[in-house]
Amino acid sequence: QPVLTQPPSSSASPGESARLTCTLPSDINVGSYNIYWYQQKPGSPPRYLLYYYSDSDKGQGSGVPSRFSGSKDASANTGILLISGLQSEDEADYYCMIWPSNVVFGGGTKLTVL
Amino acid sequence: QVTLKESGPVLVKPTETLTLTCTVSGFSLSNARMGVSWIRQPPGKALEWLAHIFSNDEKSYSTSLKSRLTISKDTSKSQVVLTMTNMDPVDTATYYCARIPGFDPWGQGTLVTVSS
Repeated sequence: QPVLTQPPSSSASPGESARLTCTLPSDINVGSYNIYWYQQKPGSPPRYLLYYYSDSDKGQGSGVPSRFSGSKDASANTGILLISGLQSEDEADYYCMIWPSNVVFGGGTKLTVL
Repeated sequence: QVTLKESGPVLVKPTETLTLTCTVSGFSLSNARMGVSWIRQPPGKALEWLAHIFSNDEKSYSTSLKSRLTISKDTSKSQVVLTMTNMDPVDTATYYCARIPGFDPWGQGTLVTVSS
């Protein structure tokens, strides 16, 4: 089972941008897979935010603001969730996911909005 | 509006078999290329994918739990059932179902505690 590595925590101030990363193991090429992102607030189920494959193949969840966006850094074999114009309500856990043969979730990043 | 709702026991004893039901509405389990997945989350920990089933009855299981899991569906009842055998206290978690592909949306989850 592959492991997706996410930093346990991240923080930023309101109005700033947060860049959350999801690093794939070296034997799985980030360029070959959709990277899915989910937001989870305490006591609630995860919420689908978006998926990113490429600039021409991506999708936003229903009602998800455009300030949430995805990208990839091929050199680092990493998927990225960028949250711009941070708001206090963005404070949550964020999980990435890929689906090579079986589904794999990352360990999650707790985002604190200072 | 698409919704999913998990149901099942709140408490199970070690070695018992857990049976969870996911009842869906707003879409059909016979819709092409759609399905339902089960995911769990131990308290304070990360999400762990368990299994999924598609409308064509294609099934897939977590490699680490495959020997203990069985997933099935009853399209007429709009239900997907997951059974997990030989429950252990480490299986204490909130169990979610979600529509696939995309895992959107998720049910509210059901907390299952394994304790004697």
